[in-house]
Amino acid sequence: DTEVTQTPKHLVMGMTNKKSLKCEQHMGHRAMYWYKQKAKKPPELMFVYSYEKLSINESVPSRFSPECPNSSLLNLHLHALQPEDSALYLCASSQDLYGSYGNTIYFGEGSWLTVV
Amino acid sequence: QKEVEQNSGPLSVPEGAIASLNCTYSDRGSQSFFWYRQYSGKSPELIMFIYSNGDKEDGRFTAQLNKASQYVSLLIRDSQPSDSATYLCAVKGAGNMLTFGGGTRLMVKP
Repeated sequence: DTEVTQTPKHLVMGMTNKKSLKCEQHMGHRAMYWYKQKAKKPPELMFVYSYEKLSINESVPSRFSPECPNSSLLNLHLHALQPEDSALYLCASSQDLYGSYGNTIYFGEGSWLTVV
Repeated sequence: QKEVEQNSGPLSVPEGAIASLNCTYSDRGSQSFFWYRQYSGKSPELIMFIYSNGDKEDGRFTAQLNKASQYVSLLIRDSQPSDSATYLCAVKGAGNMLTFGGGTRLMVKP
């Protein structure tokens, strides 16, 4: 079982709605990630937080707004999304961003987002 | 640009056979290599990682790494229908960032 928990598992939202995806881990990891995955494609990195600070933003549109309230929680705030934003959103965590040998990235079960 | 290449498949093998999944990468500075399994509609699940040249075995799975050839593979022995999934190769360089290949879809037929 994954130790990275994501809620909700499924979300349907209109293009004018504001919603949030939530992610929680209790492994003591200090790096957390948001990925987006479209059907039959690999995960694409969106954001990386290291020690609760935004470390990487892969040129993601501002309608996606990440937030890291503490070392265990990661949110993704959604506003004015487009139908093409419909995808599986994956949260992940790792010990930190240093020493890549064996510093494994673990994924949550994902949140399926449909924008109508 | 860092690239990770996989044959998209589907790779079809009979039950009990050995499935061989291959991956090549372009960045010679890559330090560690991961295989994730992803069932349809589910999230990626780590199978194993390798960072030294040679073979690493874990149960029915063997990862093989050849840094000189920039090649990593995953062998699945005694393949089962439950192994049918997409297998993602991921390569990590500095900063703990993963670059994923496109995935290979494996089908194990009873």
